[in-house]
Amino acid sequence: GENVEQHPSTLSVQEGDSAVIKCTYSDSASNYFPWYKQELGKRPQLIIDIRSNVGEKKDQRIAVTLNKTAKHFSLHITETQPEDSAVYFCAASPNQGGKLIFGQGTELSVKP
Amino acid sequence: GAVVSQHPSRVICKSGTSVKIECRSLDFQATTMFWYRQFPKQSLMLMATSNEGSKATYEQGVEKDKFLINHASLTLSTLTVTSAHPEDSSFYICSALDSQSYEQYFGPGTRLTVT
Repeated sequence: GENVEQHPSTLSVQEGDSAVIKCTYSDSASNYFPWYKQELGKRPQLIIDIRSNVGEKKDQRIAVTLNKTAKHFSLHITETQPEDSAVYFCAASPNQGGKLIFGQGTELSVKP
Repeated sequence: GAVVSQHPSRVICKSGTSVKIECRSLDFQATTMFWYRQFPKQSLMLMATSNEGSKATYEQGVEKDKFLINHASLTLSTLTVTSAHPEDSSFYICSALDSQSYEQYFGPGTRLTVT
């Protein structure tokens, strides 16, 4: 089955700096890759997603890149703000609407 | 946006008892719902896929007789933790798949504590 590895497990940046979180997946059949932000005790919130027919997608300060050959995808947050502090999870699925296999999570801390 | 609710939000039960958790899609139909478990400072682990009108599909290592799933309508799936033990204490989160858009929406989670 699918296995998703996520790095780093913790990331601390200064406000205004960029943050990059990386994930690799094992199943070449996966073609849908969402990213979620989860605050303590709350539900995961979808922040951006990408499908395998696209190499990059951007939404304001957030971007995701996908290298299907290497089976890895990354989340880029620019101009970080303290409210970006949370745990971020990547996930992979064989299709949108299919079961999600999550990475281990990255605890991002943005220091003012 | 689409709303998914869970009930209860928190529950404390004694070891050996059973607990039922409900997951509802409030403004859309969901033929498929997913159940996840999340231990503190860990990731979401998929437990099972719940399909309306048919048996749930369990992930490897998840005991189907212990975690009973029922998806009797297009808006409701239930997870029953039977004969709960302290090691079952966890955050249980459901997600519902909008049958029209294929977007997946998460519930707010249920904190289960077994004493």
